[in-house]
Amino acid sequence: DGGITQSPKYLFRKEGQNVTLSCEQNLNHDAMYWYRQDPGQGLRLIYYSQIVNDFQKGDIAEGYSVSREKKESFPLTVTSAQKNPTAFYLCASSMTSRRTTDTQYFGPGTRLTVL
Amino acid sequence: RKEVEQDPGPFNVPEGATVAFNCTYSNSASQSFFWYRQDCRKEPKLLMSVYSSGNEDGRFTAQLNRASQYISLLIRDSKLSDSATYLCVVSRSTDKLIFGTGTRLQVFP
Repeated sequence: DGGITQSPKYLFRKEGQNVTLSCEQNLNHDAMYWYRQDPGQGLRLIYYSQIVNDFQKGDIAEGYSVSREKKESFPLTVTSAQKNPTAFYLCASSMTSRRTTDTQYFGPGTRLTVL
Repeated sequence: RKEVEQDPGPFNVPEGATVAFNCTYSNSASQSFFWYRQDCRKEPKLLMSVYSSGNEDGRFTAQLNRASQYISLLIRDSKLSDSATYLCVVSRSTDKLIFGTGTRLQVFP
């Protein structure tokens, strides 16, 4: 089965702790993205990567970090510096032609709650 | 002003009804447009891309008006299973999408 997987589905964290969210895809997509979704708000871009070993900040990168060591994997670390980390985190991937905007496909998401 | 604006709804319609959603965008340079569907507490899923000439997929019709910078989604013969939030999505550049906050649709028997 081809697709995007995220784990865990639910995650609870104490204030002051860093936590890493997993995202894996076997679609052979070049680009991967991390978004967060809060109630009543649209998805907001945290980080994205168009190629292995390269990534760029999105609109709300503060308090987050990522790595892209493999094409299939794009883990997101939510650090203690993130002021309001409780949210629904979505990972997406797409082919990238660099000429047009390709469709993004989403994983099932991780709900992070900071206690 | 938000880059992508949608009426949050909810739109409550009976089965079999026709319903239409509009979405406006502010970046005149946007080139790609999509409608995604998101069920409660689930990930967004692509419903359809929106092309300049308009396009149809079964009961769903999408239209783009570049001059007025809006896109629309028409759903005919609504089904209970159409109940969801519909996200309007517009490209900011070749590698970034901007998501609207969504319009909630509730279809009742």
